[in-house]
Amino acid sequence: GDSVTQMEGPVTLSEEAFLTINCTYTATGYPSLFWYVQYPGEGLQLLLKATKADDKGSNKGFEATYRKETTSFHLEKGSVQVSDSAVYFCALTTTPNAGGTSYGKLTFGQGTILTVHP
Amino acid sequence: GAVVSQHPSRVICKSGTSVKIECRSLDFQATTMFWYRQFPKQSLMLMATSNEGSKATYEQGVEKDKFLINHASLTLSTLTVTSAHPEDSSFYICSAKNAGLAGGKRDTQYFGPGTRLTVL
Repeated sequence: GDSVTQMEGPVTLSEEAFLTINCTYTATGYPSLFWYVQYPGEGLQLLLKATKADDKGSNKGFEATYRKETTSFHLEKGSVQVSDSAVYFCALTTTPNAGGTSYGKLTFGQGTILTVHP
Repeated sequence: GAVVSQHPSRVICKSGTSVKIECRSLDFQATTMFWYRQFPKQSLMLMATSNEGSKATYEQGVEKDKFLINHASLTLSTLTVTSAHPEDSSFYICSAKNAGLAGGKRDTQYFGPGTRLTVL
């Protein structure tokens, strides 16, 4: 079956440090890949996505590249801020989609807690 | 942006009682909602897919008679944990998929903030 493995946390960084959160996956089909973020007391929000190999998703300074050869989708940010403190989830779906927008069942990694200190 | 609410945010109940959790899409319509369960330091596990006006589709290993799902309208799905036991204690999260009937980004999933269930 499908699975997602994220680097274990928690991750603690100082402001302006470089961030990498590793994510690898196994999938029976050709998955679309996602990073979700959960701020304290809020629901998960889609941070970025990539639907095919070599696509780069980006948002709010975060980036992740769909690497089919290494089955990875690592999240990076060049300079983190205190406001980036949250839980980050890597996820995939292999639900057939029409036009690249139909997201169905999601398989999640276990989440990585990020804390950024001033 | 699109908002999904869950009620209650926390509930504590005695073993053997039933608990209902509501998931509402506040500014869009959702023909499909998903219910997830999250154990401490573990990932979200999909329990079931809730389809408006029809029966829910349960994932393998999830007891449909224990976790009753009702999706009676385009903005509301409910999860009822029947005869709850301590092992049902968990964090339950719903997501709603925008049907695009009233604008917004069609097919995008929006997540609720979750409900913490503790069964004594």
